[in-house]
Amino acid sequence: KAGVTQTPRYLIKTRGQQVTLSCSPISGHRSVSWYQQTPGQGLQFLFEYFSETQRNKGNFPGRFSGRQFSNSRSEMNVSTLELGDSALYLCASSLPNNEQFFGPGTRLTVL
Amino acid sequence: GEDVEQSLFLSVREGDSSVINCTYTDSSSTYLYWYKQEPGAGLQLLTYIFSNMDMKQDQRLTVLLNKKDKHLSLRIADTQTGDSAIYFCAEPLISLGNMLTFGGGTRLMVKP
Repeated sequence: KAGVTQTPRYLIKTRGQQVTLSCSPISGHRSVSWYQQTPGQGLQFLFEYFSETQRNKGNFPGRFSGRQFSNSRSEMNVSTLELGDSALYLCASSLPNNEQFFGPGTRLTVL
Repeated sequence: GEDVEQSLFLSVREGDSSVINCTYTDSSSTYLYWYKQEPGAGLQLLTYIFSNMDMKQDQRLTVLLNKKDKHLSLRIADTQTGDSAIYFCAEPLISLGNMLTFGGGTRLMVKP
């Protein structure tokens, strides 16, 4: 069974731009969560989607948004990028309330 | 909010045992996880333990859970250089969907 895939793996943007990251979950998994990892703040929860509905949201500004499609694939969007948004963005998929399996991440650099 | 705490760094010699410790605060967690992150990679689920268990063994890995003290540990027997990585403990907040709260991670360095 294929694992969680994330695209792109690396991304360089400039301040003020917006970015969209994509995540394809493990087949059969309908829950997708997103996390931000930075050296200073560690791993922080962004949001979780289940059956195309946002089930929970972390403490991030409204510039961070996401969605989930009917095939369970998910995207997250960050608008008006700031330098502090530079991070590794990790996506995880799971069965409901079950162990989460992570993708390799998208490393975003904001210049 | 709930905090999960870990020591930052651990150095051991190849062949020795490694013990990575974690404390958590949410006593309602039904299970707790250990993840491994190698440089430039995502998180790999190593093992997990249900809250009604005291110990779980999986090959070289042993997880101990002390619910009274809210203390979790991961023991790696016969540590190898390939075990060098950052190890995270995590607890889910089931009341908030499937959100995981992570510790800050313990960097394990294995010297040959």
